[in-house]
Amino acid sequence: DGGITQSPKYLFRKEGQNVTLSCEQNLNHDAMYWYRQDPGQGLRLIYYSQIVNDFQKGDIAEGYSVSREKKESFPLTVTSAQKNPTAFYLCASSTGTEYEQYFGPGTRLTVT
Amino acid sequence: EDQVTQSPEALRLQEGESSSLNCSYTVSGLRGLFWYRQDPGKGPEFLFTLYSAGEEKEKERLKATLTKKESFLHITAPKPEDSATYLCAVQAGNQFYFGTGTSLTVIP
Repeated sequence: DGGITQSPKYLFRKEGQNVTLSCEQNLNHDAMYWYRQDPGQGLRLIYYSQIVNDFQKGDIAEGYSVSREKKESFPLTVTSAQKNPTAFYLCASSTGTEYEQYFGPGTRLTVT
Repeated sequence: EDQVTQSPEALRLQEGESSSLNCSYTVSGLRGLFWYRQDPGKGPEFLFTLYSAGEEKEKERLKATLTKKESFLHITAPKPEDSATYLCAVQAGNQFYFGTGTSLTVIP
């Protein structure tokens, strides 16, 4: 089955700790994205990557970092510099930036 | 500033009662408009892509239409399993802009 996997589904961390969220796709898509979803707000773009070893900041990149060492993987690190990290994080991929995005199941991160 | 607005925020329908959801946008250089369905606690599921004014797409009880400034998602004779949040997104340049969604509840 082709698709996007995110792990874990739920993640709990203490304030001040960095945490890495996993995103893997086997759709052979070139482009991958990370979004954050908060209640009452639309999805907000954190980072996106159009090709391996290249990525661009989205609207809310501060306090986050990414890497794209392999086509199928695009992990997101939430650093201690992110002031309000508790949220639902969604990873997506697409054939190219001009095409529809397909989403993973999401990771709900809670930082206390 | 680029913006996507969805209305209404919430909609309750009786089973079989048809209605429409609206997505209006103010972006420069629209490259595409996308509709998604999102169930609670899950990732959005892709429904439709529309590229130009006048275009229409259908899938089961859903039909999406596009004008120069807005899109409608028409739901014909909805069933309880159509209950979900429906998200609209527009693409300008290399970025996607999402609306906050319409939460649809279909009552048996």
